[in-house]
Amino acid sequence: GENVEQHPSTLSVQEGDSAVIKCTYSDSASNYFPWYKQELGKRPQLIIDIRSNVGEKKDQRIAVTLNKTAKHFSLHITETQPEDSAVYFCAAVNSGSARQLTFGSGTQLTVLP
Amino acid sequence: EAGVAQSPRYKIIEKRQSVAFWCNPISGHATLYWYQQILGQGPKLLIQFQNNGVVDDSQLPKDRFSAERLKGVDSTLKIQPAKLEDSAVYLCASNLGTYNSPLHFGNGTRLTVT
Repeated sequence: GENVEQHPSTLSVQEGDSAVIKCTYSDSASNYFPWYKQELGKRPQLIIDIRSNVGEKKDQRIAVTLNKTAKHFSLHITETQPEDSAVYFCAAVNSGSARQLTFGSGTQLTVLP
Repeated sequence: EAGVAQSPRYKIIEKRQSVAFWCNPISGHATLYWYQQILGQGPKLLIQFQNNGVVDDSQLPKDRFSAERLKGVDSTLKIQPAKLEDSAVYLCASNLGTYNSPLHFGNGTRLTVT
């Protein structure tokens, strides 16, 4: 089955700096890669996603890049703000008939004021 | 649109007791998932339903966990008997069922087994 690894597990940045979170996946046939943000005690919420037929997608301060050859994808947050502090999860949809999301282990991002 | 509804929000039980969680997905969402999220980890899939049928329950500990989705709408997840290692947040999620359909999560049920 699909295996998703995520790094780093914790990340602290100064407000206004950029943050980068990286994930690798094992199933070369995976074709959809969402990112979820989970604030303390709350549900995971989708913040951005990318399909395998594009290499980059941007939404305001958030961008995701995908390298299919290397089987890795990254989340980039620019001009970080304190409200960006949360746990971020990457995920990949497997190629099986069930089309399930496999999540990474999460990155605790702390934006220091 | 109304989100995924789950209840209860919190539950504390002793080991070997039983517990049940309920989920009502977003209207029209054919696919429903139950995830287990242990503190500090990503959500781990337990079971996936398509309408009222099970698509995948390969990671469900069937000796103690069971789930059903009667009439293809609401779903219940049961644990009997509970173990200490079952302490986690149980998240229900739903989507339209296509590979890139966003997954919508409920607020989860935080289970503590003592």
